[in-house]
Amino acid sequence: NAGVTQTPKFQVLKTGQSMTLQCAQDMNHEYMSWYRQDPGMGLRLIHYSVGAGITDQGEVPNGYNVSRSTTEDFPLRLLSAAPSQTSVYFCASSSVRAKRGRTDTQYFGPGTRLTVL
Amino acid sequence: QQQVKQSPQSLIVQKGGISIINCAYENTAFDYFPWYQQFPGKGPALLIAIRPDVSEKKEGRFTISFNKSAKQFSLHIMDSQPGDSATYFCAASVETGAGSYQLTFGKGTKLSVIP
Repeated sequence: NAGVTQTPKFQVLKTGQSMTLQCAQDMNHEYMSWYRQDPGMGLRLIHYSVGAGITDQGEVPNGYNVSRSTTEDFPLRLLSAAPSQTSVYFCASSSVRAKRGRTDTQYFGPGTRLTVL
Repeated sequence: QQQVKQSPQSLIVQKGGISIINCAYENTAFDYFPWYQQFPGKGPALLIAIRPDVSEKKEGRFTISFNKSAKQFSLHIMDSQPGDSATYFCAASVETGAGSYQLTFGKGTKLSVIP
């Protein structure tokens, strides 16, 4: 049971380049999300999904696209990277809120450190 | 708009002392309040969490105190150890649809426990 995995661990891009950050989980979790972490800013939600084919925007969605074709995978796409997207990106997964008593426990991946020059 | 305010930004505590981190929120729709612990180079991990119908929750050396009327909650780490040195984030969760929710995080507190 690998939990939440993210690739790559590190990436350097030039302004305007595109790339996809990969995220996968093997816990059969319906809910998956992407956060970015910047110094002094905490974690900010980019996009999230409650199941295959369903995605929604978080607090800072601009410049990022997501899709969810399977339960296991939730890739994050940067179509035209900008220096403001330099950050550490975390993917997380959890069960959905099925009933009263749910814990909303999110399991985080190890992160991808992205630098945009 | 920062919906969850966390203080202090950094905290230095002697080994064996009590570490206290405070958070405040505005949105009364928040209905679940977790704390996450993050070590350098790692992803955050759930430490302890509380619901607003409970005023206190204790797990080992970690205690959450919750004041619903004041919209504040805090993390107390008793007998702090050097291994507790990490960044701590408070968070608040709100339901956004069937089975869906959003977590909003505070900006974090970097705790250093010195021997």
